[in-house]
Amino acid sequence: KQEVTQIPAALSVPEGENLVLNCSFTDSAIYNLQWFRQDPGKGLTSLLLIQSSQREQTSGRLNASLDKSSGRSTLYIAASQPGDSATYLCAVSRGSNFNKFYFGSGTKLNVKP
Amino acid sequence: ETGVTQSPTHLIKTRGQQVTLRCSSQSGHNTVSWYQQALGQGPQFIFQYYREEENGRGNFPPRFSGLQFPNYSSELNVNALELDDSALYLCASSLVSEGQFFGPGTRLTVL
Repeated sequence: KQEVTQIPAALSVPEGENLVLNCSFTDSAIYNLQWFRQDPGKGLTSLLLIQSSQREQTSGRLNASLDKSSGRSTLYIAASQPGDSATYLCAVSRGSNFNKFYFGSGTKLNVKP
Repeated sequence: ETGVTQSPTHLIKTRGQQVTLRCSSQSGHNTVSWYQQALGQGPQFIFQYYREEENGRGNFPPRFSGLQFPNYSSELNVNALELDDSALYLCASSLVSEGQFFGPGTRLTVL
């Protein structure tokens, strides 16, 4: 069974810092990896999707990388802002014709002004 | 392009009752997945529907059931509610092999 772990569970940083969130998974035979943001009590907002043949995706201040062989992904956030405060979740999917995602428990980020 | 919508936003039920949650998928998406998210946890996969057929199920009992309609909208039904069913229920739509896009969720409280 696929297990997804996110470290750290919580992170508090001053505004302007660059930071890295980590995601590891036990079964390297994944198809897609997706990073999400969740605000308290809300649904999930998709940030970046890394598809099966890709190793990296970038959107604005966000960059996600994927190393399937080591079972790891990182989400890099540049020049953090208070509006980035949220829980960040990573999820991996198993196959091309069955899009079940396994989620980590998330990293709760607090960016202090 | 319309995003994923869910109804109702909040719901309060008592133990033993039945509940139906609804989801409208994003335009062009033929796959809907349902997840249960307990407080402080990541979402747990309940099941997925692809073109009106169940396309995989997580570790949830049969009292969790679903439907997908020809317009790809979907329902999640839960019978014989238990206190532990209190959670945020999330619906996600996608094309079958691509990323998922989530709705705002339905907060279910079972008393």
